[in-house]
Amino acid sequence: QSALTQPASVSGSPGQSITISCTGTSSDIGNYYLVSWFQQHPGKAPKLMIYEVSRRPSGVSNRFSGSKSGNTASLTISGLQAEDEADYYCCSYAGGNIVLFGGGTKLTVI
Amino acid sequence: EVQLLESGGGLVQPGGSLRLSCAASGFRFSSYAVSWVRQAPGKGLEWVSAISGSASSSYYADSMKGRLTISRDNSKNTVFLQMNSLRGEDTAIYYCAKDQRPGVLGAFDNWGQGTMVTVSS
Repeated sequence: QSALTQPASVSGSPGQSITISCTGTSSDIGNYYLVSWFQQHPGKAPKLMIYEVSRRPSGVSNRFSGSKSGNTASLTISGLQAEDEADYYCCSYAGGNIVLFGGGTKLTVI
Repeated sequence: EVQLLESGGGLVQPGGSLRLSCAASGFRFSSYAVSWVRQAPGKGLEWVSAISGSASSSYYADSMKGRLTISRDNSKNTVFLQMNSLRGEDTAIYYCAKDQRPGVLGAFDNWGQGTMVTVSS
């Protein structure tokens, strides 16, 4: 049960687009369309931004989108805004009723 | 409105035990699995355990397997996490989280505010 791999940090300027990758294996991301992405601001609980690879919960901006190719999932944020600055975590079902998180990516809006 | 409220955290000595609770409201409680996810200070999220809506099945991460027991009381809309033989590395905020739809683990659409567990002598 190894954690999924995310870059430690990414940055972008307001209005730009950024992409955060999340790499797993053929036992987790590669085998299920059950990847989620969470946003966490300091001192707050995580918030679901994307589920089932590319679906957005009600109320989440369409600037957030998700995709998957092979064993790697990606979160893209377009039209970056200052309020998007936060930590982002990917999460995947890994079979056998086990869930794995990525190590998290700190997004800085410069 | 869905609400999850954790309680039971605190300071405990190494080797000690603690029982966390997660009181839920605002949804058909018995239809959804509930998980516990922890976050050590300054670190990332780690899934710890889950229990099915009917309480018939429970699941654990390897990191704490053997030291945890998850349970639920659907008559009281509450999930419990019994933690034994606690170690310093178990120090973390413990969140409970509800699945977005029945039968699918990992898409946690509602989270509690967390309860802090500190393991120290």
